[in-house]
Amino acid sequence: GENVEQHPSTLSVQEGDSAVIKCTYSDSASNYFPWYKQELGKGPQLIIDIRSNVGEKKDQRIAVTLNKTAKHFSLHITETQPEDSAVYFCAASIRGNNRLAFGKGNQVVVIP
Amino acid sequence: GAVVSQHPSWVICKSGTSVKIECRSLDFQATTMFWYRQFPKQSLMLMATSNEGSKATYEQGVEKDKFLINHASLTLSTLTVTSAHPEDSSFYICSAKNLQTSTDTQYFGPGTRLTVL
Repeated sequence: GENVEQHPSTLSVQEGDSAVIKCTYSDSASNYFPWYKQELGKGPQLIIDIRSNVGEKKDQRIAVTLNKTAKHFSLHITETQPEDSAVYFCAASIRGNNRLAFGKGNQVVVIP
Repeated sequence: GAVVSQHPSWVICKSGTSVKIECRSLDFQATTMFWYRQFPKQSLMLMATSNEGSKATYEQGVEKDKFLINHASLTLSTLTVTSAHPEDSSFYICSAKNLQTSTDTQYFGPGTRLTVL
């Protein structure tokens, strides 16, 4: 099955700086890659997703890039704010397959 | 749009009792809902996939007789933890896929914190 790995496990950034989280996946058939933000005690919230037919997607301060050849995708957060502090999970799935394979999560800490 | 609710948000029960958790899609219809379990500082573990009108599909190692799943309508799935034990204490989260958009996107509920004494 699909195996998704996330790096780094913890990331601390100064407020205003950018944060980048990278995920790698193993199954070249995977074609859907969502990113979720989870705050303490809450459910994961979808913040952005990308499909394999595009290489980059942006939504305000958040962007995701996909490199199908290298089988990795990254989340970019620019102009970080304290409210960006959370655990971020990447995931991958194959179209038509209901199951999402999740990474282990990254704890992002934005230092004011 | 794409709001998923769970009830209750937290529950404390005695060992040996059963607890039912509800998952509702509030503004869309969901033929498929998912149940996850999450332990502290860990990732989400898929327990089962729930399809409206049919039996749930359980992941390997998840006891179907202990975690009863019912998906009676396009907007409601329930998870019942039977004969709960302290090791069942966890954060249970459901997610749902939107029937109308037919995408791979899963929208998650806020989670239910279960504590078994």
